[in-house]
Amino acid sequence: EPEVTQTPSHQVTQMGQEVILRCVPISNHLYFYWYRQILGQKVEFLVSFYNNEISEKSEIFDDQFSVERPDGSNFTLKIRSTKLEDSAMYFCASSQLSQPGGYTFGSGTRLTVV
Amino acid sequence: GNSVTQMEGPVTLSEEAFLTINCTYTATGYPSLFWYVQYPGEGLQLLLKATKADDKGSNKGFEATYRKETTSFHLEKGSVQVSDSAVYFCALRTGANNLFFGTGTRLTVIP
Repeated sequence: EPEVTQTPSHQVTQMGQEVILRCVPISNHLYFYWYRQILGQKVEFLVSFYNNEISEKSEIFDDQFSVERPDGSNFTLKIRSTKLEDSAMYFCASSQLSQPGGYTFGSGTRLTVV
Repeated sequence: GNSVTQMEGPVTLSEEAFLTINCTYTATGYPSLFWYVQYPGEGLQLLLKATKADDKGSNKGFEATYRKETTSFHLEKGSVQVSDSAVYFCALRTGANNLFFGTGTRLTVIP
């Protein structure tokens, strides 16, 4: 069964450093997403991406965040200058255009900012 | 606004016990409702869904009924197994193409 692959599974970074979280969506999917879950809190929507541009973003997704699909297969989330409160599990997901919300999620990257 | 409130965990049950995980929601419009499951070390997987009032979603022995009158979508299973140990997330989707999740409920089933 096709999978969404995320790397790394766990990343530790110092506050103020830039991090890039990587995702390989399912090859025939057209919509891509990032969600995050701070420990003990809800899974929160960050951003959706379609046709090489952001289609929706939440209030969390401020100027410190950016997404890119650099080569037609990878889908990356960059945090420019990490803060302690960015520590969370970050989930990538993808879906086909007509799929009614039944996304395929990756297993997540746990980001720890120290 | 849109939000999902889930039963606080963790939940620990003996094998073959009956499971209920409560989920209530608030939403603008008419949402679709979902249960996702995350097994250890894996991604969120769609367990079941319901797209309109009174629909019942079911999969792997789990069921949930979309109750508009009580704005609920409680997850149930008649007889849990050790392999059902996981974190369960209730979620909703409105017209926008993103999901609103609850906090997740960790279920541990002991032999």
